[in-house]
Amino acid sequence: GEEVAQTPKHLVRGEGQKAKLYCAPIKGHSYVFWYQQVLKNEFKFLISFQNENVFDETGMPKERFSAKCLPNSPCSLEIQATKLEDSAVYFCASSPGQGAGGYTFGSGTRLTVV
Amino acid sequence: GENVEQHPSTLSVQEGDSAVIKCTYSDSASNYFPWYKQELGKGPQLIIDIRSNVGEKKDQRIAVTLNKTAKHFSLHITETQPEDSAVYFCAARAAGYSTLTFGKGTMLLVSP
Repeated sequence: GEEVAQTPKHLVRGEGQKAKLYCAPIKGHSYVFWYQQVLKNEFKFLISFQNENVFDETGMPKERFSAKCLPNSPCSLEIQATKLEDSAVYFCASSPGQGAGGYTFGSGTRLTVV
Repeated sequence: GENVEQHPSTLSVQEGDSAVIKCTYSDSASNYFPWYKQELGKGPQLIIDIRSNVGEKKDQRIAVTLNKTAKHFSLHITETQPEDSAVYFCAARAAGYSTLTFGKGTMLLVSP
């Protein structure tokens, strides 16, 4: 399709629980990006993929965050043992290729950790 | 790495006025500069972009200008309308690199 589909739209987890977010990029886009947007609007880059391979993971808090993009499956971002500060909107975006222009963003998943 | 500064953080204008949002970037290797509009509860939407081989680009009421020497780029919205109210983000990306670095956003409020 021509949109980046993120599920679920909202997710509530108790502190210490696992959270898993999904992203289906636009068909034909080979790059996928995950960003975290906190209350002050700032976008924090987490990780990017080129097809199923990690391209840049410099933003990932590796101790609790992991992500995958497997063939023929939505990409996923998983947070083990969530903390209150993980509460944010997580956006996925895709692009056709390196240097190919802007991203197309999904509508985000709002994660609330209580 | 790249650092993008964006000003102002909030901007209030009357309908019909012009609005200007400014960004600076740190990495002289950056060559692609998009602008995104984010409405409440939605994902950012690309509204205009510019590459480093041009100085200005227009699309109806919006325009972007780029000064490579000063490492500045700006978004200009003319004849603002209430539906222009949103948060606007600038971003920059270096050549041969895929990750965008975003500014911290400008909340634009257009009053009728």
